[in-house]
Amino acid sequence: ETGVTQSPTHLIKTRGQQVTLRCSSQSGHNTVSWYQQALGQGPQFIFQYYREEENGRGNFPPRFSGLQFPNYSSELNVNALELDDSALYLCASSEGTALVTANEKLFFGSGTQLSVL
Amino acid sequence: QKEVEQDPGPLSVPEGAIVSLNCTYSNSAFQYFMWYRQYSRKGPELLMYTYSSGNKEDGRFTAQVDKSSKYISLFIRDSQPSDSATYLCAMSAQGAQKLVFGQGTRLTINP
Repeated sequence: ETGVTQSPTHLIKTRGQQVTLRCSSQSGHNTVSWYQQALGQGPQFIFQYYREEENGRGNFPPRFSGLQFPNYSSELNVNALELDDSALYLCASSEGTALVTANEKLFFGSGTQLSVL
Repeated sequence: QKEVEQDPGPLSVPEGAIVSLNCTYSNSAFQYFMWYRQYSRKGPELLMYTYSSGNKEDGRFTAQVDKSSKYISLFIRDSQPSDSATYLCAMSAQGAQKLVFGQGTRLTINP
């Protein structure tokens, strides 16, 4: 087990709704990243948070937003859901600095499967 | 063109076979190369981590990186049914915040 937990495991929403996904990182891990994995594809980077500040963002629109809290929990919020938002959303945590270096490794949770109808 | 290309398979081999999984990439800035294993309905699990070119061995797994060809490989020796999963290659540039993943190769080891 990686020590990264995500909730809920599954979620069904309708187009136009808003959703909040939650993640609990390993204690001491100051960096959390969110990835979107569409069916049959590799994960795609959404954004990263380091000590409660956004520290990098992938090619996702502003309706994807996040929060990180001092207790090693974080949230991914998606507004105005679209059908293409249906995917597995993965949270990953790492310790130390925000940068991916030779000493940094990401630990992934099991993900939240979001279905948008 | 995607930054990282990976044959999605599916790949099916008999138990005990040597498995070879590969990825090519286009971004010469990539310096960190990883292989993840992902079981159905689970998150990716880090298998191998390599910096720059060369080989790295860990038990039945060997990772190879050839930066001159922009080509990385994962070899699995004495494959077991429990190795059946999707294998994702991932890579990152120095100082980058993100990993760039391949599409994943779905592997089945038949008893």
